Amino acid sequence: EDKVVQSPLSLVVHEGDTVTLNCSYEVTNFRSLLWYKQEKKAPTFLFMLTSSGIEKKSGRLSSILDKKELFSILNITATQTGDSAIYLCAVWASGTYKYIFGTGTRLKVLA
Amino acid sequence: DAGVIQSPRHEVTEMGQEVTLRCKPISGHDYLFWYRQTMMRGLELLIYFNNNVPIDDSGMPEDRFSAKMPNASFSTLKIQPSEPRDSAVYFCASKDRDKPYEQYFGPGTRLTVT
Repeated sequence: EDKVVQSPLSLVVHEGDTVTLNCSYEVTNFRSLLWYKQEKKAPTFLFMLTSSGIEKKSGRLSSILDKKELFSILNITATQTGDSAIYLCAVWASGTYKYIFGTGTRLKVLA
Repeated sequence: DAGVIQSPRHEVTEMGQEVTLRCKPISGHDYLFWYRQTMMRGLELLIYFNNNVPIDDSGMPEDRFSAKMPNASFSTLKIQPSEPRDSAVYFCASKDRDKPYEQYFGPGTRLTVT
């Protein structure tokens, strides 16, 4: 059965800290891995990763994929209280438009 | 564009009642997805449509759940009869075939079944 596992489940840090969120997967016919940020409402798209070893960056957020070891990490540097959210990882398999989501990592950044 | 629109935003109902959730996708998007989110199970795909046709409903938990998409601008998810374990946030999302990697989520419907 296809699955996506995220760790840690929750994390509390102070402003200015750097955090690393993990996502591992077992999916038949892997195509892409996506990261979403969910604040109080709907998830919003952050990154899509398809190739191993190529870092995607957006401001203080960055992410990389390792297709050999079947995982991805999302890094957030110099965290701010506005980074507090649930971070979701999803995997998209070839031949389908179905995404399989992990349960998410709940990040809380304290001032 | 108004984005994906869902109604109602909150629904409280008693066990055994019928519940209908509604979704209007972004105009021009040809894929529509229904998800359910709970603390225990995270975000689960229930069903998705392509050009109004159901493609994969393997995530629909049981026969009490049904979904329809009568046209390109409207979809419903119905639960009959509802049970307390159906309490969750239900999201609708849509995407454009030309941008297959990015789904746009609606604001969700928070359902509470007492």
